[in-house]
Amino acid sequence: ETGVTQTPRHLVMGMTNKKSLKCEQHLGHNAMYWYKQSAKKPLELMFVYSLEERVENNSVPSRFSPECPNSSHLFLHLHTLQPEDSALYLCASSQVEGGYNEQFFGPGTRLTVL
Amino acid sequence: GQNIDQPTEMTATEGAIVQINCTYQTSGFNGLFWYQQHAGEAPTFLSYNVLDGLEEKGRFSSFLSRSKGYSYLLLKELQMKDSASYLCAVSDSNYQLIWGAGTKLIIKP
Repeated sequence: ETGVTQTPRHLVMGMTNKKSLKCEQHLGHNAMYWYKQSAKKPLELMFVYSLEERVENNSVPSRFSPECPNSSHLFLHLHTLQPEDSALYLCASSQVEGGYNEQFFGPGTRLTVL
Repeated sequence: GQNIDQPTEMTATEGAIVQINCTYQTSGFNGLFWYQQHAGEAPTFLSYNVLDGLEEKGRFSSFLSRSKGYSYLLLKELQMKDSASYLCAVSDSNYQLIWGAGTKLIIKP
């Protein structure tokens, strides 16, 4: 496989469920990202793992928990979500060097919280 | 605060030319990206500008004026497959991308 892959592509869950989103990049990049995309809103950066350091958006609720076991894999653990968390969750990766930060995206997970 | 503005939606005719504008106010500037996103798909890279001027790549061109905080994406000889959302993003002082909400481009025959 090439590029950035995400599973599952679609997920429906209740507010009491626990689920995880998975992302894998095959590009040899050193940074990975989780974004939330809601209709007609800008992409919202949730978490960044860059050079093995985590940088996060302090406005992200604690019901979202990231995990990055190595430079190729990224998870987003979900628990006790709210209906307003329904959105497209995009994973991206990039090679951070020299200030150029082109990001490569996976196809996303369409999440619906009932 | 940081802000990226672009029109919500635009309509154009197949074969015509369309210009999508983007204005920005960010803490620092390390380049501006344009991405294309078809419905239900991942955003894909179109162009990158870090110096003032026009970058041309086939039917697509992107322009930057750093002094005005302004960029545009120019699409020529529009095709139906160009119907998509176009996202403007600025790399800030921390090299993180600040995103606009995207412009949905509708192409009519």
